[in-house]
Amino acid sequence: DAKTTQPTSMDCAEGRAANLPCNHSTISGNEYVYWYRQIHSQGPQYIIHGLKNNETNEMASLIITEDRKSSTLILPHATLRDTAVYYCIVRVRDGPSGTYKYIFGTGTRLKVLA
Amino acid sequence: DGGITQSPKYLFRKEGQNVTLSCEQNLNHDAMYWYRQDPGQGLRLIYYSQIVNDFQKGDIAEGYSVSREKKESFPLTVTSAQKNPTAFYLCASSIDLREEADTQYFGPGTRLTVL
Repeated sequence: DAKTTQPTSMDCAEGRAANLPCNHSTISGNEYVYWYRQIHSQGPQYIIHGLKNNETNEMASLIITEDRKSSTLILPHATLRDTAVYYCIVRVRDGPSGTYKYIFGTGTRLKVLA
Repeated sequence: DGGITQSPKYLFRKEGQNVTLSCEQNLNHDAMYWYRQDPGQGLRLIYYSQIVNDFQKGDIAEGYSVSREKKESFPLTVTSAQKNPTAFYLCASSIDLREEADTQYFGPGTRLTVL
C-alpha cells in the first residue's frame, strides 16, 4: 500500500506557482520524501527529495512540515511543459534486508492552462 | 551522454511466448530495478539487483525472471506464466539502495502488448 496521499488532479495557470500537496502521516524518522514527475508514456523524471529541512533546486522547492506528516512541492512559475503526473514517494526500509525501496501511489495529474 | 536505455520502445508478442526486455546503463550504478505500470496507476516493483550476480524479488515477481551478469545490464524476461503481461515496463538504476537517500533514475520505458 502507498504511504502517501495526493489529490487526483489539479489545474494551474501558466506563469503562476503550482503547489502540489502530499500527506505521508505514517512516515518514519529516517524515510526520505521523493518527488518525480511523469509525462505521458515516458519514464519518471526525478525532481527533488528531502528528509526534514526544506529543499530547493533549479526545478522546484520542497516544503516539509515540522512533524513530517505532509509536504508540498512548489513549481514557482509553471509552464505548459510542466503538465504531467507528479508522484510523491516515501522511500521505506525493505524489511530486514538493509535495503530501501520506493512506494508509488497514483500521483497528481497537474494540468497547466494557457 | 550518460543514462539508461531500454529497447525496444514498443514490443508486440503472441500469447504464450516469452519475451525479454533490455535495460542498459552507463552511469556506473550498482543497483538496478524493474517496474511495471498499468494505465492510471503508479509503478510496482518487479525485481531489483543490488550488485552483479545478485537479485531479489519485488512486490510482483511472479511470471518474471531477471539476470545480472554485468553491472551495466539487467534484462527482464516476461514468461508465459505472467497472466496479464500487457503493460508499460520501466527500468531504473541508482548508486546504492542500502543508503537512506539514494535517487533512482529511470529509462524511457518499453510498452509491451501481448496479442
